[in-house]
Amino acid sequence: EVQLVESGGGLVQPGGSLRLSCAASGFTFSDHYMDWVRQAPGKGLEWVGRSRDKGNTYTTEYAASVRGRFTISRDDSKNSVYLQMSSLKTEDTAMYYCGRDLRVPGGTTTDYWGQGALVIVSS
Amino acid sequence: DIQMTQSPSSLSASVGDRVTITCRASQGISTSLAWFQQKPGKAPKSLIYAASSLQSGVPSKFSGSGSGTDFTLTISSLQPEDFATYYCQQYKSYPITFGPGTKVDIK
Repeated sequence: EVQLVESGGGLVQPGGSLRLSCAASGFTFSDHYMDWVRQAPGKGLEWVGRSRDKGNTYTTEYAASVRGRFTISRDDSKNSVYLQMSSLKTEDTAMYYCGRDLRVPGGTTTDYWGQGALVIVSS
Repeated sequence: DIQMTQSPSSLSASVGDRVTITCRASQGISTSLAWFQQKPGKAPKSLIYAASSLQSGVPSKFSGSGSGTDFTLTISSLQPEDFATYYCQQYKSYPITFGPGTKVDIK
């Protein structure tokens, strides 16, 4: 059974940093791209970024709203993907979900999601 | 960036109703479109990829169609567990973008 468990959320002041972790199990982690998506309170889903797999040299993509402030990394030996967030703004307050990606016709999309980690940026 | 729109933004329906949600992309995305269901306080759940292919384990009452810029998600006979918010997502190009969502609630 595919399982994704996020951790590391919490309350942080504007300008601060936080690192989210996503521990994966139930599948061959190293074979999959991994995504981060967020959802501000009462709002829709916003894609944050993606980590490709080793075969694609672990390259990453980011939404413009987080590029230069957030960094996605992964450790295949620990079956984990990370979201390092810095220079946090109040508008980064959201539930953050990690997702396992699946290569399908026409590209790559998410087929499983974790339960989320809540990040609150407030003074 | 490719902008995704959905209509309606919300709808009220009864158990047993056939429901159709529309998603439109600001430029052609072929069939690089996915649909997700989200219930309050829960993570999204993948329903459909490649515009019309059901994810494993998703019941056949869900179906998707379309290509290019116009897509639909249809629920053939709405059941109580289907009341949720539905999002489309394009994965043709970066940044990946979602539609604003369609909330389906009980009439």
